[in-house]
Amino acid sequence: DAGVTQSPTHLIKTRGQQVTLRCSPKSGHDTVSWYQQALGQGPQFIFQYYEEEERQRGNFPDRFSGHQFPNYSSELNVNALLLGDSALYLCASSLWTGGSNEQFFGPGTRLTVL
Amino acid sequence: AQSVTQLGSHVSVSEGALVLLRCNYSSSVPPYLFWYVQYPNQGLQLLLKYTSAATLVKGINGFEAEFKKSETSFHLTKPSAHMSDAAEYFCAVSERSGGYQKVTFGIGTKLQVIP
Repeated sequence: DAGVTQSPTHLIKTRGQQVTLRCSPKSGHDTVSWYQQALGQGPQFIFQYYEEEERQRGNFPDRFSGHQFPNYSSELNVNALLLGDSALYLCASSLWTGGSNEQFFGPGTRLTVL
Repeated sequence: AQSVTQLGSHVSVSEGALVLLRCNYSSSVPPYLFWYVQYPNQGLQLLLKYTSAATLVKGINGFEAEFKKSETSFHLTKPSAHMSDAAEYFCAVSERSGGYQKVTFGIGTKLQVIP
């Protein structure tokens, strides 16, 4: 049973560029959440997707957008990259109807903005 | 609004000593509580979770946590630290609000195990 997978593992971009990160949820899960984890910080919630729609959003600007596909996989897009966007981006999957919202995390994508 | 406070961003213990990592939460409804562990350059792995069943929760790798409603705490313990326990630990609270489950993480506690 494959867990949550993310690609790429590492990414280096320059300011102003755009980036797309990808996530495949754990088998049987239908909900994907994205988090940003800056160095020395806890994960900060970006947004959550279910049934191909954004259901919740954290305190992140519109430069951060996402998509969920019919197979439940998801993409995170960040436009006009800033130095402060450098972080580990974590994807977590869960079941929408899961009472406790237990989330399973992928290994993350390390984004460096120069 | 829910929140999580982890007391002590860094904790050092000797190998074989008791591990105690503190977590206090704030929630307007009965919460679900989690502890995750993160090893360097890896994602988060679930250690244990509280879902309103038993207040003493046992997890993987010998860790356990006790939910104390009166103290709004969910501290993580392990009787005897092992070198492999060196990692960062995150406490998280999840509650249902407006039809959605929202998860909030603490800032993390980095555990150092001294041989």
